[in-house]
Amino acid sequence: AQTVTQSQPEMSVQEAETVTLSCTYDTSENNYYLFWYKQPPSRQMILVIRQEAYKQQNATENRFSVNFQKAAKSFSLKISDSQLGDTAMYFCAFMFVGTDKLIFGTGTRLQVFP
Amino acid sequence: DAGITQSPRHKVTETGTPVTLRCHQTENHRYMYWYRQDPGHGLRLIHYSYGVKDTDKGEVSDGYSVSRSKTEDFLLTLESATSSQTSVYFCAISGSSGPTGELFFGEGSRLTVL
Repeated sequence: AQTVTQSQPEMSVQEAETVTLSCTYDTSENNYYLFWYKQPPSRQMILVIRQEAYKQQNATENRFSVNFQKAAKSFSLKISDSQLGDTAMYFCAFMFVGTDKLIFGTGTRLQVFP
Repeated sequence: DAGITQSPRHKVTETGTPVTLRCHQTENHRYMYWYRQDPGHGLRLIHYSYGVKDTDKGEVSDGYSVSRSKTEDFLLTLESATSSQTSVYFCAISGSSGPTGELFFGEGSRLTVL
């Protein structure tokens, strides 16, 4: 079975600094997607960033970027210039291409301090 | 925001009683999902639907059933609630034309089983 591991239950960062959240996954397949989702304290979850496994270029969305290391099965999220509004639970997720089910990690709670 | 409404948002019930949670969408998306969120477990898929009357089990489906008689509604039923089903339940929808991994989530339903 595929697993997604987030080894950092909690992290904190000061406003304007950079923080990196870790995620590793386990699969023998080659064709899949990876995602980072954000769940702010209001609880509605939103997609932050998505990466196709066949793309070598790391995905970027404004202050959010990923470091995708396919051979190492690692998919970390870097948040630059952290803002108070980045305080949230962050979930890494995995999906095989052609399926319709996401597998989530256990989450990392990020606190951004002023 | 995606048009997803969950009801009820909060419910307290007693062990052994039936409970139905409703997810209503106005997006005409084909795929709908029910997840539960528990500390230390992240989000786990309970059941999902890929069309009217087409449903399938997720990783934690025991004790739950679902129904989808209309595109817009996806019901999750606990036939006889147990304390282990105390959780926050999230409905999600995906892709008008197919699964993309980009899920739009509802605000969640907090269920407490005494």
